Amino acid sequence: DVKVTQSSRYLVKRTGEKVFLECVQDMDHENMFWYRQDPGLGLRLIYFSYDVKMKEKGDIPEGYSVSREKKERFSLILESASTNQTSMYLCASLLGGGTGELFFGEGSRLTVL
Amino acid sequence: DQQVKQNSPSLSVQEGRISILNCDYTNSMFDYFLWYKKYPAEGPTFLISISSIKDKNEDGRFTVFLNKSAKHLSLHIVPSQPGDSAVYFCAAAPLNTGTASKLTFGTGTRLQVTL
Repeated sequence: DVKVTQSSRYLVKRTGEKVFLECVQDMDHENMFWYRQDPGLGLRLIYFSYDVKMKEKGDIPEGYSVSREKKERFSLILESASTNQTSMYLCASLLGGGTGELFFGEGSRLTVL
Repeated sequence: DQQVKQNSPSLSVQEGRISILNCDYTNSMFDYFLWYKKYPAEGPTFLISISSIKDKNEDGRFTVFLNKSAKHLSLHIVPSQPGDSAVYFCAAAPLNTGTASKLTFGTGTRLQVTL
């Protein structure tokens, strides 16, 4: 069974802390994505990666960075967490050339105090 | 500017009845449309899709209708079951983008199916 696993389901961090959100997929998918979900705003793309060491900005990349050192792993980094980054973060993967049928992880709910 | 709009934040339907979830879009370049379903504390899962060459796609109890001239799509669930209670997101993309990076999601509609 295909799986996208996010390492932390719930995190509470303080303003200014560095935060790492990890995502691993076991489907050998080329493409991986980080979204955030906020009430009334739907899912918004932060960053995506179409290959190892490759990354591209999504719609809301400010305050975030990403790392993809291995095909199966895609990390989201908040260099200095702020309260407006409190959100549900969703990782997803997609087979290369796919038409948009993303496989999502269960999400990481981050609270920044 | 919200290019994909789900104007109903919530919908309540009795078990056995039809649920109709609506989605409007503004970008005429969108050619491919998807619906995702999300339960609390879980990630969204793909439900059904449709490309602009069709006006209807059916998968069991789920049917998606596309009206390109009106820039409107709808998801019909018949009959509705309590397990269908979830948040439904529609998403749209230009065709042949090669990746999902051009997917634009709506804000979601919370469906509650009551007994």
